[in-house]
Amino acid sequence: EAGVAQSPRYKIIEKRQSVAFWCNPISGHATLYWYQQILGQGPKLLIQFQNNGVVDDSQLPKDRFSAERLKGVDSTLKIQPAKLEDSAVYLCASSLSTGFYEQYFGPGTRLTVT
Amino acid sequence: QQQVKQSPQSLIVQKGGISIINCAYENTAFDYFPWYQQFPGKGPALLIAIRPDVSEKKEGRFTISFNKSAKQFSLHIMDSQPGDSATYFCAASMKSSGSRLTFGEGTQLTVNP
Repeated sequence: EAGVAQSPRYKIIEKRQSVAFWCNPISGHATLYWYQQILGQGPKLLIQFQNNGVVDDSQLPKDRFSAERLKGVDSTLKIQPAKLEDSAVYLCASSLSTGFYEQYFGPGTRLTVT
Repeated sequence: QQQVKQSPQSLIVQKGGISIINCAYENTAFDYFPWYQQFPGKGPALLIAIRPDVSEKKEGRFTISFNKSAKQFSLHIMDSQPGDSATYFCAASMKSSGSRLTFGEGTQLTVNP
């Protein structure tokens, strides 16, 4: 069974530029999560989808971050414009459904904002 | 109330020793407590998890001890190996909030050969 796929693996941009990350969850997983992991910290939830609907985006900085999962499968997270403090690893995770606890993480995208 | 506090921040043990990492939570609505293992450049991988109706769960060399009254849980790694050197995160989740994970700050474990 293929795991959670993410791309790109690394991205370096200048502040005020825009960037997008892509995630393809495990086949059949209805729930998709985006987490932000700042160096030396635990991951923090940004947004959670159930199929193509948003379950929780309370921690998403909506003035600059946006995310979509239009067909209920893969998802895109965008930052526009980026700030220095957005430098982090962006992790995508998936689970069978919101009622299932086990989450499986992708390798992450390491973003550096200069 | 959503916080999960983890200690120590870093831990060095000798090969064959026991590694112990502790976590504490505040929200009694949490109903699932996993531990994740993360190697550099990789995403977190589920190691072992426990529900609050159980006081201990063991899988191979890894054991979770859970103290519901104290709102604490810990990971014990028996016979620690150099290959166990990684960052370990405790987390907590509840179905009523969509099963999203609230993570601790992580413990960097180094096992010396």
